[in-house]
Amino acid sequence: QKEVEQNSGPLSVPEGAIASLNCTYSDRGSQSFFWYRQYSGKSPELIMSIYSNGDKEDGRFTAQLNKASQYVSLLIRDSQPSDSATYLCAVNMRGESGGSNYKLTFGKGTLLTVNP
Amino acid sequence: GAVVSQHPSRVICKSGTSVKIECRSLDFQATTMFWYRQFPKQSLMLMATSNEGSKATYEQGVEKDKFLINHASLTLSTLTVTSAHPEDSSFYICSARGDNINNEQFFGPGTRLTVL
Repeated sequence: QKEVEQNSGPLSVPEGAIASLNCTYSDRGSQSFFWYRQYSGKSPELIMSIYSNGDKEDGRFTAQLNKASQYVSLLIRDSQPSDSATYLCAVNMRGESGGSNYKLTFGKGTLLTVNP
Repeated sequence: GAVVSQHPSRVICKSGTSVKIECRSLDFQATTMFWYRQFPKQSLMLMATSNEGSKATYEQGVEKDKFLINHASLTLSTLTVTSAHPEDSSFYICSARGDNINNEQFFGPGTRLTVL
């Protein structure tokens, strides 16, 4: 069973702090990794993608990937109350039938609350 | 990012009726579209994957005769929930992926289905 694991939270941080969200995945052959943000009652919104080991920064967001450890994380600097949402880690994995059939496998999401 | 629309955003219907949901990629050609279902406080569950011009691939446990998927063009996919029952009430979300090496998927805003 190919899986993506996340702590469900809730993760609570004060406004202005750094929020750290973590994710591990089971398929060592995965090459594409994504973080989605989902507000309550809304659909997921892509906020970061990362494909190679190391850090990738975009504004207040930094994604970190370590393929050897099968670990991907998302850091949110200067957290704002508007960042309060569920963050979904998604990994592009080869389907059970193999071949070129790739599909996103999602973690259950981490609920982040940023307190004013 | 790329834009995906869904229609309708909300539908309420009587048990036994069929409901059609449309998913459109507005500014790119979607070679692959995905249909997800999300129950309250649960993660996204992939129902099926569809490629333009071919039959959809359904995930295990998803009834293909109940959830009819058509991907007739590179910008439109439809999901028809046939003979809907209250247990089909859920948040249905489509996503689309273009012909890009990054495998990014973009989600539509979702359709909230309530079956009375």
